[in-house]
Amino acid sequence: QSALTQPASVSGSPGQSITISCTGTTSDVEIYNLVSWYRHHPGTAPKLMIYEVTKRPSGVSNRFSGSKSGNTASLTISGLQAEDEADYYCCSYAGSSSWVFGGGTKLTVL
Amino acid sequence: EVQLVESGGGLVQPGGSLRLSCAASGFTFSFYWMHWVRQAPGKGLVWVSRINSDGRNTTYADSVKGRFTVSRDNAKNTLYLQMNSLRTEDTAVYYCARFAVNRGASFDYWGQGTLVTVSS
Repeated sequence: QSALTQPASVSGSPGQSITISCTGTTSDVEIYNLVSWYRHHPGTAPKLMIYEVTKRPSGVSNRFSGSKSGNTASLTISGLQAEDEADYYCCSYAGSSSWVFGGGTKLTVL
Repeated sequence: EVQLVESGGGLVQPGGSLRLSCAASGFTFSFYWMHWVRQAPGKGLVWVSRINSDGRNTTYADSVKGRFTVSRDNAKNTLYLQMNSLRTEDTAVYYCARFAVNRGASFDYWGQGTLVTVSS
């Protein structure tokens, strides 16, 4: 159960768009359309931002979007805002009732 | 309002035991699978364990298999994690999370976590 691979950090200016990648394997991201994304401010509860690769829970801004190609999923945040600064984690179902998270990406809004 | 509140964390020596609790409210606890996820200091989230709605089926990450046991009391709306033979590498904030089967097998609500420190 190796962690999914995410860039350690990304940054962007307010109003810009950024994309965070999440690379897995043929045992998780590639074969299951069950990738989710979470925003996490340390010391608080993580928040679900995207599920099933592309879907947004009610209440999540449409500035957040997800996609997948092969074994790599991506989270795009458009119109960056200061409040978007946080750690972001991808997660995929990995079969046999197990799940695997990415190592996390720290988003800095410049 | 859905709420998950973890408790039971603290300082324990290597080889020791600890039991974490997660009190649930604001939803029908007995309908949902529940999970434990942890985060070591300065590291990312790591999935730990999962239990189905009636408590009869559980799965674990390889790193805790045979040492940790997840259970639940649906009458008390509470999830547990019994941690035995603790190692320094088990030091982490432990989160409980509600499993949303109708949201692509994601975790739709999380607690704020409880810190477990394994150290001599």
